Amino acid sequence: QVQLVQSGAEVKEPGASVKVSCKASGYTFTSYDINWVRQAAGQGLEWMGWMNPNSGNKGYAQKFQGRVTINRSTSMSTAYMELSTLRSEDTAVYFCARGVAGYDDSTGYYMYYFDNWGQGTLVTVSS
Amino acid sequence: SYELTQTPSVSVSPGQTASITCSGDKLGEKYTYWYQQKPGQSPVLVIYQDSKRPSGIPERFSGSNSGNTATLTISGTQAVDEADYYCQAWDSRTVIFGGGTKLTVL
Repeated sequence: QVQLVQSGAEVKEPGASVKVSCKASGYTFTSYDINWVRQAAGQGLEWMGWMNPNSGNKGYAQKFQGRVTINRSTSMSTAYMELSTLRSEDTAVYFCARGVAGYDDSTGYYMYYFDNWGQGTLVTVSS
Repeated sequence: SYELTQTPSVSVSPGQTASITCSGDKLGEKYTYWYQQKPGQSPVLVIYQDSKRPSGIPERFSGSNSGNTATLTISGTQAVDEADYYCQAWDSRTVIFGGGTKLTVL
């Protein structure tokens, strides 16, 4: 079965960087996008960005441009999300999610959604 | 930028029908997706492409999308359905989430 297993909780000081990993199994890693979504305590879901593990193409939400980097290791079937210049507001649970993408020929609509999620990684930013 | 708006909370009695809405400009011209999230857990996809159910999702979950509003309907709501529900769409190469709706089963 499809599994996305993320690295463990992190505690970082303001101004530092954090790197979270997401190891995929149960499917061909290069066949689906990997996305990163975060959720602060008691808040909603916030999309951060995506990567196509096959091509290496990626895109980031405008809010995180310049601060987030998504990479992958195809040999290890693992995606990584690095967030720099951390501040207290970055304290959140970070999820990776498998993205399903493509055009629906019957409607012409583009589909993009998340069919599997990692277990989440708590990142705490505190001095 | 594109926005999706959800009512923050909805209450329903067990066995009744719960309707959770998501509104956005011409939302009916895009696909809408719905996720269920219980406390301390990762989100789970319950509806994709407006109205399709992934395998393992009970038949009581259904969806529709027209005009500016997408709706997630839970028929015969059970206590186990109490959770936060998020709608999601894709616009201009960006994933958009609604703010979420807390469903309380009284």
